[in-house]
Amino acid sequence: AIRMTQSPSSFSASTGDRVTITCRASQGISSYLAWYQQKPGKAPKLLIYAASTLQSGVPSRFSGSGSGTDFTLTISCLQSEDFATYYCQQYYSYPKCSFGQGTKLEIK
Amino acid sequence: EVQLVESGGGLVQPGGSLRLSCAASGFTFSSYWMSWVRQAPGKGLEWVANIKQDGSEKYYVDSVKGRFTISRDNAKNSLYLQMNSLRAEDTAVYYCAGEKTGATDYWGQGTLVTVSS
Repeated sequence: AIRMTQSPSSFSASTGDRVTITCRASQGISSYLAWYQQKPGKAPKLLIYAASTLQSGVPSRFSGSGSGTDFTLTISCLQSEDFATYYCQQYYSYPKCSFGQGTKLEIK
Repeated sequence: EVQLVESGGGLVQPGGSLRLSCAASGFTFSSYWMSWVRQAPGKGLEWVANIKQDGSEKYYVDSVKGRFTISRDNAKNSLYLQMNSLRAEDTAVYYCAGEKTGATDYWGQGTLVTVSS
C-alpha cells in the first residue's frame, strides 16, 4: 500500500501569511495527487487535483505543485476562512487510494 | 446542485450489523465511481470501499474485507454499505463520495456509526 506522509502535522500562522504544507508518497505516484480542506463538523472539500489543477470555484491563492513522491500545497495569503485541516490523497493506485494523516492549520 | 445524503448510522453493539444508504442527486450518478470514506473521532480520513459505475468491480480496505459489502442501485441513484461483524474500531463518521477521475469530487455530510456495548 502507498503511504502518504504530511508535514507538519499542525502549525499556527497569521492572516496574510504565505504557508506551505508538504506531502510525501512512499513510492512514485506521478501527479495522481489531490488536496482537500476540512473544517470541523464538515465534509472535506476538493481543492486541487492532478497535483496542481485548481478545482472550479477554489480561490487562486491556493496552489499545488510536485510530482513523483514530493508535493506541496501553498496558500499565498491566508484568509480567516482558510484555518482548517488539510489532507493529501494519492489516487495512483485507484480504485484503491490513501490519505495523508492531515495538517491542522491554526490561527496564531 | 449536487447532493449526497447518507442515512442509516447509529449505535450498534460489537458484532452487530448496520446498513448505510446514500441518496444522490444533481449529477449523473451512473457515470461515477462511488466510495465510502470514514473518519474516526478526532482522526484522519480513511478510504473504506468503492464500486465501479456498473457495479462490476468492488474494492475494500483490508480491515473491512469479508465484513463490509458495497453496492449500488443506479435506477434509484443510491449507494449502500452493508456492515457486519462490527468492531469498536469501526466507530466513525462515514462519508458517501463520488469520483469521476480519481480525486473525490463530491462528498456527503456523513453519518455517524458508533460501535459500543
